Amino acid sequence: GAVVSQHPSRVICKSGTSVKIECRSLDFQATTMFWYRQFPKQSLMLMATSNEGSKATYEQGVEKDKFLINHASLTLSTLTVTSAHPEDSSFYICSARSRTGNEQYFGPGTRLTVT
Amino acid sequence: AQSVTQLDSQVPVFEEAPVELRCNYSSSVSVYLFWYVQYPNQGLQLLLKYLSGSTLVKSINGFEAEFNKSQTSFHLRKPSVHISDTAEYFCAVKRIGVAAGNKLTFGGGTRVLVKP
Repeated sequence: GAVVSQHPSRVICKSGTSVKIECRSLDFQATTMFWYRQFPKQSLMLMATSNEGSKATYEQGVEKDKFLINHASLTLSTLTVTSAHPEDSSFYICSARSRTGNEQYFGPGTRLTVT
Repeated sequence: AQSVTQLDSQVPVFEEAPVELRCNYSSSVSVYLFWYVQYPNQGLQLLLKYLSGSTLVKSINGFEAEFNKSQTSFHLRKPSVHISDTAEYFCAVKRIGVAAGNKLTFGGGTRVLVKP
């Protein structure tokens, strides 16, 4: 149980375009989803926390207009990187937490490369 | 706020040798503690966790970690490593309590390289 999927696993896009990444909880209802960013050989940096049906809470320094997060249902959250630039290239990982759980379940990650 | 320090960024170790990954944390309130493992180009997998009870927690694949409240540590150990244990290991904490939110704070990670 507690499986989280992400789609796509890899994406290459041109500078200036937008990219949407999906995060799904497959066998539980995720009342809270988290989006992380990980640079090579570094730790995870929390970007934002989203609760189903409400606006995401962004961490300090994360541009909410650039990284649009939607958590429209209890099993799906999306991250849209708008007007992507090469410096947005990174590994994006989502995680999900159920209403009663104490731990987060992580997706396999999405590697974004902006050319 | 809380912080997590993993003292070793890289740990090379020979196959079948023991390994210890150190994790220290700082928090003004009680926390839950976690170890995650990340294989190349993959997401994180929960290795083990401490929520309450016995301070020594074990995983199914031979890892164990001990919560030491006085030293604010949660070191991870394995008595005999395999090549397949080569991965990045992250220590993380979460503040206890509804008002504390659900955010995990991660350490910088320790890269374990098991050599034959």
